Amino acid sequence: ETGVTQSPTHLIKTRGQQVTLRCSSQSGHNTVSWYQQALGQGPQFIFQYYREEENGRGNFPPRFSGLQFPNYSSELNVNALELDDSALYLCASSVGQDYGYTFGSGTRLTVV
Amino acid sequence: LAKTTQPISMDSYEGQEVNITCSHNNIATNDYITWYQQFPSQGPRFIIQGYKTKVTNEVASLFIPADRKSSTLSLPRVSLSDTAVYYCLVGDINRAGFQKLVFGTGTRLLVSP
Repeated sequence: ETGVTQSPTHLIKTRGQQVTLRCSSQSGHNTVSWYQQALGQGPQFIFQYYREEENGRGNFPPRFSGLQFPNYSSELNVNALELDDSALYLCASSVGQDYGYTFGSGTRLTVV
Repeated sequence: LAKTTQPISMDSYEGQEVNITCSHNNIATNDYITWYQQFPSQGPRFIIQGYKTKVTNEVASLFIPADRKSSTLSLPRVSLSDTAVYYCLVGDINRAGFQKLVFGTGTRLLVSP
């Protein structure tokens, strides 16, 4: 049991649609990050939230947005889906600022 | 964040010791070295972290020479279930404020019977 739960596990969307992915972190984990992992590549950092505020962003366009809630859950929203958005999306949480992040099992998004 | 270089793949047999070396020539004074393991269709799992010399836990050992420009993850007596991708990351874990984990392409370890 990882302590970080992501839903759904798999999702198929059509190009141009919008999608919301969800993550439930462990209690007390006030830092949450989202990563995109294309097939055969390492995870790429999308953004990070700390106490419900975005405090860091990777090289992703504004159509990738997120929210973090007081109950340690968070969301990743992607608008105007493109075929290249097909990937495994990972949520990772941590207590404060350290490298011992706990990852969820991810959501496999396929855009057709 | 310091760039890391790892072998793309490694092969081993059950029961052998596996050593994966990571090169990080530009490591900064405050940087720590962290290794993650990832199985297919799962998120990365934290294995071990260290700053210098040697760190050991129930899963692996991490060897860091005095110049800290490289590190070696050692997996004793691997089994088939150790087949995975292993990532080496370098960064300042004590830095206040935002941090991100920078993953390379990792090392694909294949353990055969």
